[in-house]
Amino acid sequence: EAGVTQFPSHSVIEKGQTVTLRCDPISGHDNLYWYRRVMGKEIKFLLHFVKESKQDESGMPNNRFLAERTGGTYSTLKVQPAELEDSGVYFCASSHWRDRDYNEQFFGPGTRLTVL
Amino acid sequence: AQSVSQHNHHVILSEAASLELGCNYSYGGTVNLFWYVQYPGQHLQLLLKYFSGDPLVKGIKGFEAEFIKSKFSFNLRKPSVQWSDTAEYFCAVNAGSGTYKYIFGTGTRLKVLA
Repeated sequence: EAGVTQFPSHSVIEKGQTVTLRCDPISGHDNLYWYRRVMGKEIKFLLHFVKESKQDESGMPNNRFLAERTGGTYSTLKVQPAELEDSGVYFCASSHWRDRDYNEQFFGPGTRLTVL
Repeated sequence: AQSVSQHNHHVILSEAASLELGCNYSYGGTVNLFWYVQYPGQHLQLLLKYFSGDPLVKGIKGFEAEFIKSKFSFNLRKPSVQWSDTAEYFCAVNAGSGTYKYIFGTGTRLKVLA
């Protein structure tokens, strides 16, 4: 079974530019999550999809961040325009609905975003 | 607000030494508890998890953790570390029903000297 994949693995952009991160969850996983780790800090929750619906977006920092999950499969996270403080590692995770009582999440390798 | 504290940010041990990494959380209700590990260049992997039942849980690679409800703690232990255990370790809490998000600690970087 293929794991969670993320693209790109690294992205370096200038402040003010736009970047789109992609996450492909494990096949069949309805739940998809985005997290972010700013250097030296904890991994923080951004949002949670159930299929194509946003279940919880309480962690999204501001309206420069837009997440979508069209068709309930892969998800994209767009940052527009990017600011310096957006630099960090963006993790995606997925979990299966059958595991909802304990919610074991499977993580992707992360996308390291650097905003110059 | 819910939070998770990992007291040790950097730990250096020699091979065969015993390991204990502390994790405390602030939430009074039912919780699901996890330890994840990130080896250099790899993605986060689940070491072990606690949902209910026996508070002493065993995970992969000889790791175990003990849930002590009265102390809001979920410390990770390994009796004898190996060089290959060099990694970053994360404690995570999911605050039970109604929410699926994880709250992570800041992580502990473990370096094991050969």
